[in-house]
Amino acid sequence: GAGVSQSPSNKVTEKGKDVELRCDPISGHTALYWYRQSLGQGLEFLIYFQGNSAPDKSGLPSDRFSAERTGGSVSTLTIQRTQQEDSAVYLCASRRGPRSTQYFGPGTRLTVL
Amino acid sequence: AQTVTQSQPEMSVQEAETVTLSCTYDTSESDYYLFWYKQPPSRQMILVIRQEAYKQQNATENRFSVNFQKAAKSFSLKISDSQLGDAAMYFCAFLRVPGGSEKLVFGKGTKLTVNP
Repeated sequence: GAGVSQSPSNKVTEKGKDVELRCDPISGHTALYWYRQSLGQGLEFLIYFQGNSAPDKSGLPSDRFSAERTGGSVSTLTIQRTQQEDSAVYLCASRRGPRSTQYFGPGTRLTVL
Repeated sequence: AQTVTQSQPEMSVQEAETVTLSCTYDTSESDYYLFWYKQPPSRQMILVIRQEAYKQQNATENRFSVNFQKAAKSFSLKISDSQLGDAAMYFCAFLRVPGGSEKLVFGKGTKLTVNP
């Protein structure tokens, strides 16, 4: 595709439910990132994939958060037992190679009631 | 750890005029990149401009230019001939290279309003 795509665009869930957020990076981009944008914390890094492996998971806020990437392409961010503080916009970005620009998707707005 | 500070939570400018958004950063690294991203209400983060730390020349993209002061660790964005479509949140971001995850570290953002 022409750009990074994310689905769903918006997700409303109840506290305690699990959610899955999807990211389709730009074709050929080997690196993929997840960031979270919240009112209190601003934009913060969650996890980085190079191919299918995640050498940097340092931004995941708790063990309720996990992510995987398959086929060096699509990535899924899973949040288990959602809490109200998980409400945020989750942004995905990808880049082609080292030192290249990260291109962002439109994000998924997660609301936990 | 690197930090990025945007001291202006909000700015406004009249259409066709010039505005400068401020950004300072803190790092002990010598090899890094700096970026300005624009985020309109659609949420899509759009790259505005990119600066390599090893380049002394300030980056320019059409109406957008930066003033990169490496010693002062300052990276301001100048928008000339402001247009209504420039209204958005603007984020300054730092990227450490080489090696590692090359994750972006963002400032808190500046909300730019363009008045007709």
